[in-house]
Amino acid sequence: SQQGEEDPQALSIQEGENATMNCSYKTSINNLQWYRQNSGRGLVHLILIRSNEREKHSGRLRVTLDTSKKSSSLLITASRAADTASYFCATDGGGKLIFGQGTELSVKP
Amino acid sequence: DVKVTQSSRYLVKRTGEKVFLECVQDMDHENMFWYRQDPGLGLRLIYFSYDVKMKEKGDIPEGYSVSREKKERFSLILESASTNQTSMYLCASRDGLAGNTGELFFGEGSRLTVL
Repeated sequence: SQQGEEDPQALSIQEGENATMNCSYKTSINNLQWYRQNSGRGLVHLILIRSNEREKHSGRLRVTLDTSKKSSSLLITASRAADTASYFCATDGGGKLIFGQGTELSVKP
Repeated sequence: DVKVTQSSRYLVKRTGEKVFLECVQDMDHENMFWYRQDPGLGLRLIYFSYDVKMKEKGDIPEGYSVSREKKERFSLILESASTNQTSMYLCASRDGLAGNTGELFFGEGSRLTVL
């Protein structure tokens, strides 16, 4: 039961550019989380946004949430080569987190 | 520093073998999870546990079982490995008191190849 779906599946940009990834989901949520995964490694939590929040910032990350459209976006500003990774959104579903398929971001130096 | 440790990063097993994947966390978390990750399919939940000796089926439990005898340890068992279980397996834990707002802490993953 896939809840979150990311778009695009892959994104390639130059260092210094901004990267935007989108996530859509199907059912109502309490919160939405974003995770990052470096190649061949585990996932690392980036940020959580609650259903009553519309925007949240953490360093170079900006997350928005539109519950009416059931969508969220993750913006990474001034990207660096070290941001190259896969990014996943996750929504809660009965006590468990359900992940989307991820966006593969490549930042070229 | 919080830590989730998966016993093996890489395993190669033969079809029909019994496989144990071990996961240990040092954060005293109540909740633990096993996911598998495959290209194009993202992460899919196999089993999770809210507490010792408790287990719940996830989305794809067929062919797997789990054991949670101690709070810190959550084991995934493949009773008879098959080639379609070749995958990356990820263990995660979460503070049960945080409920649905808690972040998951992941291990580094175990890449299993079944020949």
